[in-house]
Amino acid sequence: AQRVTQPEKLLSVFKGAPVELKCNYSYSGSPELFWYVQYSRQRLQLLLRHISRESIKGFTADLNKGETSFHLKKPFAQEEDSAMYYCALCPISNFGNEKLTFGTGTRLTIIP
Amino acid sequence: ETGVTQSPTHLIKTRGQQVTLRCSSQSGHNTVSWYQQALGQGPQFIFQYYREEENGRGNFPPRFSGLQFPNYSSELNVNALELDDSALYLCASSLLGPPDGELFFGEGSRLTVL
Repeated sequence: AQRVTQPEKLLSVFKGAPVELKCNYSYSGSPELFWYVQYSRQRLQLLLRHISRESIKGFTADLNKGETSFHLKKPFAQEEDSAMYYCALCPISNFGNEKLTFGTGTRLTIIP
Repeated sequence: ETGVTQSPTHLIKTRGQQVTLRCSSQSGHNTVSWYQQALGQGPQFIFQYYREEENGRGNFPPRFSGLQFPNYSSELNVNALELDDSALYLCASSLLGPPDGELFFGEGSRLTVL
């Protein structure tokens, strides 16, 4: 069974300060990890995924298999980063068509 | 390119009734999955369809059922509604199944069961 834990329901950060949203996972096999974001009045959308190793909107996330974590980071917060963030896990298999397991989400508020 | 659309956006039902939610996939996407998002929770996987066949199911009872049509649009049916079924129901389509394909979500159908 897979499980995703986001320990912070709410996180407030001042504009220009660093941001770190925590995500821990539990899965015995090989996982692919994602961060999804939902801005106000918009639909849920993919922010980034581990395998692509891209920096999107200044955000990065490193998969730490030893600590089973996939924390989302940004060095300097911007007001437009205020949103709901969900960490998600998907097993990597030979068959594909696996399911995503989401965490409960962290609401990030950037204080001007 | 049209995104994922869901209908209805809101609906209210009473316990014991049945509901059908509809989803139109993004153009060209042959995989659709449904998620239930209760208040304050993350989306929870219900099931997934690929080319009209169910190919994955989460921990939901059989009264949750679905269909995918040849044009890849989809339905979620819930029978014998219970109060706990009140939630936002999200549909997501993708060109490939996860984790290979990116999920594109609709805005959801908010169901209230009284």
